[in-house]
Amino acid sequence: KNQVEQSPQSLIILEGKNCTLQCNYTVSPFSNLRWYKQDTGRGPVSLTIMTFSENTKSNGRYTATLDADTKQSSLHITASQLSDSASYICVVTGTYKYIFGTGTRLKVLA
Amino acid sequence: DGGITQSPKYLFRKEGQNVTLSCEQNLNHDAMYWYRQDPGQGLRLIYYSQIVNDFQKGDIAEGYSVSREKKESFPLTVTSAQKNPTAFYLCASSISGPGGSYNEQFFGPGTRLTVL
Repeated sequence: KNQVEQSPQSLIILEGKNCTLQCNYTVSPFSNLRWYKQDTGRGPVSLTIMTFSENTKSNGRYTATLDADTKQSSLHITASQLSDSASYICVVTGTYKYIFGTGTRLKVLA
Repeated sequence: DGGITQSPKYLFRKEGQNVTLSCEQNLNHDAMYWYRQDPGQGLRLIYYSQIVNDFQKGDIAEGYSVSREKKESFPLTVTSAQKNPTAFYLCASSISGPGGSYNEQFFGPGTRLTVL
């Protein structure tokens, strides 16, 4: 069964600290993997996208990694800011379908 | 500005009523999607359309209906047959269907529907 699992479900960190969010998937065949940021009550916004051949991709303080062999991805946030408080959703594209994880809810405290 | 708009932002429905959620895009995308988001769950696909005048059921289509008469518009009707419609509804679009390697979905701001 095609699934995308994210961990942890929620995370609280202090401003300025780093954190890493995890995404494991069982989608096959695999086309690409995206990370989205969703602020409360808003639509998701794309952070990064990676295909099978890409291991790392950065977008400012966000760095995503992909290990296609183990079917794992991570999103690393450096020097967190209050505005990073949001849900982060991992989405894997399979055969003509987008498969969504349940998200990690991040709270950054001052 | 290019993008996807959804209206209204908040919608209240009495039991037994049908309501229609609007979704418009000016990105010239062929594919459009409707998702439902509930707390603690991933986005679930209700309907999608890859071309005008054609649409397909997603995983949770029961109690919903759509139309795609124009490329830029994909309205969703929540019918009285949907027993638990209170949720956050998201519309999205992409250049074409999910098959392309860099075929990103762009999301609208969402509509929160509450049944009174």
